[in-house]
Parts: sequence; structure tokens; C-alpha cells
Amino acid sequence: QVQLQESGPGLVEPSGTLSLTCAVSGYSVSDVAYWSWVRQSPGKGLEWIGEVFYTGTPNYHPSLKSRLTILLDNSKNAFSLELRSVTAADTAKYHCVRSLGWWFLDLWGSGIQVTVSS
Amino acid sequence: QSALTQPPSVSGSPGQSVTISCTGTSSDVGTDNRVSWYQQSPGSAPKVILFQVTKRPSGVPDRFSGSQSGYTASLTISGLQAEDEADYYCCSYTSSTYVFGPGTKVTVL
Repeated sequence: QVQLQESGPGLVEPSGTLSLTCAVSGYSVSDVAYWSWVRQSPGKGLEWIGEVFYTGTPNYHPSLKSRLTILLDNSKNAFSLELRSVTAADTAKYHCVRSLGWWFLDLWGSGIQVTVSS
Repeated sequence: QSALTQPPSVSGSPGQSVTISCTGTSSDVGTDNRVSWYQQSPGSAPKVILFQVTKRPSGVPDRFSGSQSGYTASLTISGLQAEDEADYYCCSYTSSTYVFGPGTKVTVL
């Protein structure tokens, strides 16, 4: 059974960096897949942030590209999200998600709430 | 603001059918069967129920069906059940990004 589990700080200060990790079990991140981050906030609904292909090639949402890094960690069978210069608008529940292709997101983590506040 | 539009809410009695529309443009919904639908029950993560407009993943009941006409994709739930009460989001993959609709709340009366 494939599972994804997010972890990281639940509170980040404004102008700081939001860093999250997604631990994957039951499937190797080095096997063919796209590994995405999607966030959800009451005001903006679901928003796709970006993805990293199993080869390590990233693909970011154009509106976040300048602040975003998504990396694979094959040694830990995980992938990570780093979002820099955060503001209150980045407050959301962050989900890590797998796609096996075919333009849909087939498996979601339960999500982690991140609040940007001083 | 989402580039896709959905009705905020729909409702129906058990056993009835409800349809949720998802309207976009030639650049998103109108492109190559790249529409998927996600069900999110309260307190849970989204779960894919349809992909490539009409295909159901293993384990999704066949009372969920999809269709598309022009730039509008639709999700129909036939034989509505109490457990179908949830939020439903359409999604289109376009220009190497996923774009979600604002979501539709389905209420079972």
C-alpha cells in the first residue's frame, strides 16, 4: 500500500522559508512518477504548486517559480518543498501528491497545515 | 481566481442524479481529455474519481460518470447516496500545470 506523509513546521514567520518533506512508503521515488505539492486554503481553494519528475527534473507553477524549490531525496525515499519569502497568503494546508502520468493526481497525502505568522 | 468555473453547490435526494459542470476554455478543458475530478469528504484529502474525462480508477463506483461537450466537462452522480456528500473539484492539465476549479459542494437531502 502506497502512502505519502507530510512533515515540517506548522508555523513560519513572514519573510521566512517554508520547508516540508514528504515521506513515501510502498513505492520508490526513483520509479517512474511525478511528485507534486498542492496547497489548499479557504480563500483560494486547491492550488497546484509544482512537481518533480522521478529523474529530478522540476516543473513549477509560473506564479511561484521564483520562490520555489522541489527536490527528490532518493536516500530517504522522499521529496521536499522549499518556499521562500513567505507571506500570510502562503498560509494553507499543504498536500504531497503522486501522479503516474496521464494528467491526473492519483494519490494524496493527508496534508499538513502551515500558518505564516509572527 | 480559478480559470475553471463550477457551481458552488448542488443537492439531491438519495437515489436521484446530480450533475456538476466545469467550464473552461479551449486552452484547458478543451484540450486532449486532460480533465480529472476529485472528491473531498470532510476532514479528508482529495481523492481522484475520474480521469481523462470519463475513466474511473479501480474501486470508484460506476455511479460516478463523466462527459464533455465543447469547453464544459461534467460529473454525474447517479443513484445519490449519503456517503457522496462532499466537495467535488474539477481539474485540467494545461501548459504543464494543473488548474483546479473552485469546487462544488454536494448535499444529500
